[in-house]
Formats: sequence, structure tokens, C-alpha cells
Amino acid sequence: DVKVTQSSRYLVKRTGEKVFLECVQDMDHENMFWYRQDPGLGLRLIYFSYDVKMKEKGDIPEGYSVSREKKERFSLILESASTNQTSMYLCASPPVGESGTYEQYFGPGTRLTVT
Amino acid sequence: GENVEQHPSTLSVQEGDSAVIKCTYSDSASNYFPWYKQELGKRPQLIIDIRSNVGEKKDQRIAVTLNKTAKHFSLHITETQPEDSAVYFCAASRSSGGYNKLIFGAGTRLAVHP
Repeated sequence: DVKVTQSSRYLVKRTGEKVFLECVQDMDHENMFWYRQDPGLGLRLIYFSYDVKMKEKGDIPEGYSVSREKKERFSLILESASTNQTSMYLCASPPVGESGTYEQYFGPGTRLTVT
Repeated sequence: GENVEQHPSTLSVQEGDSAVIKCTYSDSASNYFPWYKQELGKRPQLIIDIRSNVGEKKDQRIAVTLNKTAKHFSLHITETQPEDSAVYFCAASRSSGGYNKLIFGAGTRLAVHP
């Protein structure tokens, strides 16, 4: 059973703080993704990584950066948190290739509030 | 850029009725179309998916249809039950090397009333 975990379920930070959101997967997957989920906007891709130290921007990368030093861990960094980054953040990790579905296994989410 | 539009944003049905959610996509190269269900307070989970070489796929009470010419696909739930109440997301993607970047719709909140 694939397990994707996130370091915090709820987080409250102040404007201007540097925020780290951690995601860990235990299935040796190459690919890992960070999304943010907002009502009426669905899930929007922030960044993804297809290998250690490799990363690509998603659709809304502004204000975020990422780090993938180890295969199992993918961190999302808010360099200077702002109130418009208050959101639910979801990490996901799918298997690679045509072997079956491209199912994204999601973590439980981190609800971040920036005050 | 790539876009997926999903309608309706909310849907309310009586238990036993059918529910239909529709999505359109902009990237004609998209070849994979999954649907995710997110129950309140839980993570999204894949419920059904379809590839572009198939026009329809069914799994018990849920089915998905795909019209590549019109670039739209739909989720059909028959004999709805209260436990079908959730937010449903459609998505579209195309294979790109070893990964699949999904573009999600905005979601449909389905409420099934007993």
C-alpha cells in the first residue's frame, strides 16, 4: 500500500516567515508533485520533480521553491509567506510508466494559514 | 495554456437518481483522463480513468465517456447513494517521458440526498 505522508496537517505562520512543507513517500517513486487546492479552483500544480535534484515548474510556481535531496522526500518552500498563500497543500506521488494507471497517490494535505 | 473546464460546480440529486459531470479540455494531445473523488476532510482518490484509445469505460455504478473530436469527457454515476456525496475532480494529461502532468478541473460538489 503506497504511503505518502506530509509533515503537518495544520500550520499557522506569519507573513514574511519562511515555511517548509515536507512530503515523504515510501514506494521508491521517481516522481513527486506539489499542488495547492483552493475552492472553485481545483488542484493547481506548483512544482514537480522527476528525480533526485531534478525539478520543474508547474502552473503556479511564483513565491515557491522546492528541494529534492533524497528520492523519498520532496519539500515545498515558501520563501516569504504571504496571506494569498493560505491554502491546502497536497503532495502526490505516482508510479512511472505504462504498467498500469498513472494514479496520483496523494498525501493527507497540509492546511496552511498565513496571518 | 492547457485548461480543463468542469461543470457543474455543484450538483444535488436524490438517492437513486443518476449524476453526470462534464469536462472539456484544450490540449488535443491529451491522452489520459482520470477522475478523482475527495470526501470531506480526506485526500483525493482515483475512482476511474480512461485513455484516448477507448470511448467508454465502466466500473459498477460509475462510467466515463470520452469524445476526442469534441474534446470532452464525462463521469456518469447511476443509482446514487449518500456515500457518493463528495467533490469530484476531472483531469487531463499527456504522457511526457516518464511522467504525467495532470491538469485538474475546478471540481464538482455532489450532494446525494436520502
